[in-house]
This record gives sequence, C-alpha cells and structure tokens, in this order.
Amino acid sequence: NAGVTQTPKFRVLKTGQSMTLLCAQDMNHEYMYWYRQDPGMGLRLIHYSVGEGTTAKGEVPDGYNVSRLKKQNFLLGLESAAPSQTSVYFCASSPNTYILAGEPNEQFFGPGTRLTVL
Amino acid sequence: GENVGLHLPTLSVQEGDNSIINCAYSNSASDYFIWYKQESGKGPQFIIDIRSNMDKRQGQRVTVLLNKTVKHLSLQIAATQPGDSAVYFCAENFYGGATNKLIFGTGTLLAVQP
Repeated sequence: NAGVTQTPKFRVLKTGQSMTLLCAQDMNHEYMYWYRQDPGMGLRLIHYSVGEGTTAKGEVPDGYNVSRLKKQNFLLGLESAAPSQTSVYFCASSPNTYILAGEPNEQFFGPGTRLTVL
Repeated sequence: GENVGLHLPTLSVQEGDNSIINCAYSNSASDYFIWYKQESGKGPQFIIDIRSNMDKRQGQRVTVLLNKTVKHLSLQIAATQPGDSAVYFCAENFYGGATNKLIFGTGTLLAVQP
C-alpha cells in the first residue's frame, strides 16, 4: 500500500513551457486535492475533485488545469509556466464519508513535487 | 491571526521539555480540526484531530486543546524529542458544499535542542 505518490519529485521549467504533475493513490479515496506551498506560508488549495470525472476550483486555480479521468489519478497541468508558479506542489486524498463518529477525516498527502520556473 | 511573512514563527525547546504550539483559526463554522507535522522535504503527516464538540483530546505524547470562544487551538507535546523537530500546521475543516475543505495555518517551526 503506497498511499499517495507523486511524479516527478523535481522539475525545472523555462517560462512558457508546459508540464503535467501526476498524483496517484491506492486507497480508493473519492476526494483528491492539489495544493501549493510557498516559503513561510501554509498550503493553498489549487483544485480538487470529489470523484472520477469531476473537478472544482480551489483558492488559487489560475494558470492550472486538472483532470480526474481515473479514480486513482489526479493530474495537475501548467499550461504556460510562470516564475510565480515556482513552488512545492502537494497532492492529497481523503475518503468521501463525512466525519464518522470516532474516525479521523484526514487528508493523506504525497511527498511533494518541487517545481522551479526560470 | 495568520502570519503571512516569509519567516515561520519558531519555537525552540530543549530535549525533554514540553512544547506548546498555538494556532488561531478563522472560521467559527469550522467543526473539525487537525494538526499536521511536516518534516523537511516531506508531505504533511497527520498527528491528531479534534471535533468542535470537544475541548481536549489526548494521543501518545500529544494533547490538543480547543477553545471555540476565542477560536484557538494548541498542540502540546510532552517530553519533546529531536525527532519532533518539524513544521507543525493546524488545519480547520468545514463541509462546504460537496466536500470537506481544509484551511491551513502558516505553520510553526519546532526546533528541539539536544
């Protein structure tokens, strides 16, 4: 059981290039999320998905697109990378059930992808 | 409130001492709270949670206190160890429409001195 995995771990892009970050989870979770983390700041939600074939905007969606073609995968795309998108990107997943008595309702995070845009 | 500066608040403690990390949350409708630990180069890892109908919850070496009146959370770590050195985030959860949403604080760096 690998949990949440992300590829790649590191990437350097030039301004204007495009790329896709892949997130995979093997816990059969319905919900998946993409966050970015910048120095000295908490995680900010970019996009999320409540199930296969669905996506929704989070707090900072501009410049990113996502797709959830399979339940276990959530892709984050950068159409035209900008230096402001230099960040560490984290994917997370969680079960679809709302808070069950006595059960945690945590999000499980991947190890992150460090992206630098020059 | 949240610290949006480039430098994280830092708590420096001696090994063996107790640590208290504080967090102010923003939404009075939030009904579930989580503390995460993030070690350097890794993703956040769940430590402990608490629901809004509780004011205290204990885990192994950790205790979370919730004060809804002033919208304040704290994480207490007993007998702090070098392996506890990390950034600690609180997160508030509310069920907004189709999904539960987490709002993260900016984090506190815990530095444990041997």
